[in-house]
Amino acid sequence: RKEVEQDPGPFNVPEGATVAFNCTYSNSASQSFFWYRQDCRKEPKLLMSVYSSGNEDGRFTAQLNRASQYISLLIRDSKLSDSATYLCVVNGMGNTGKLIFGQGTTLQVKP
Amino acid sequence: GAVVSQHPSRVICKSGTSVKIECRSLDFQATTMFWYRQFPKQSLMLMATSNEGSKATYEQGVEKDKFLINHASLTLSTLTVTSAHPEDSSFYICSARSGEGSYEQYFGPGTRLTVT
Repeated sequence: RKEVEQDPGPFNVPEGATVAFNCTYSNSASQSFFWYRQDCRKEPKLLMSVYSSGNEDGRFTAQLNRASQYISLLIRDSKLSDSATYLCVVNGMGNTGKLIFGQGTTLQVKP
Repeated sequence: GAVVSQHPSRVICKSGTSVKIECRSLDFQATTMFWYRQFPKQSLMLMATSNEGSKATYEQGVEKDKFLINHASLTLSTLTVTSAHPEDSSFYICSARSGEGSYEQYFGPGTRLTVT
């Protein structure tokens, strides 16, 4: 089983749609969770951290369910510029600062 | 957010040559940097953790004699791909940890290596 699993997609949605991505992680001791965005042939950029209480940043909402070891990202009112690959990321073990990346979910927003 | 630069952004080299990639934290000191590799349509795979002033920690399956890492200062880590072969062609990305105790990482723009 992969440490971080995501549906690779692609998700093809029209502009203005609401889309949700899910991610599961295998290590119940994980403490830090993130969503990164990666555009084609570019480096990943931090989109948002995911907190136990859930957090929202504009059109983006992240949720964490520790009992189910499940993380979600909701994007409302999709824009063409949201087209990218969204990476679910979980901290590695120990105090090394390592991150474990999921395969990524590709989103294509169409006019 | 913090800025990390990487150089070169793209390199094409012949099989058997060595290539050095530099990763710099521009506006903060990074005691820990990370080196990743990403093949097309695959996720980032951590190659090694680079610690300032000490030896790098390599992930399982990564040859430390082939991928030489040097982290001689708090703002610079280098990755040297020695005796490169076509299968080493990939997107190499470095990142720097934002601080001790933090899991946030800031990524360099990546280096696309093509070995012919």
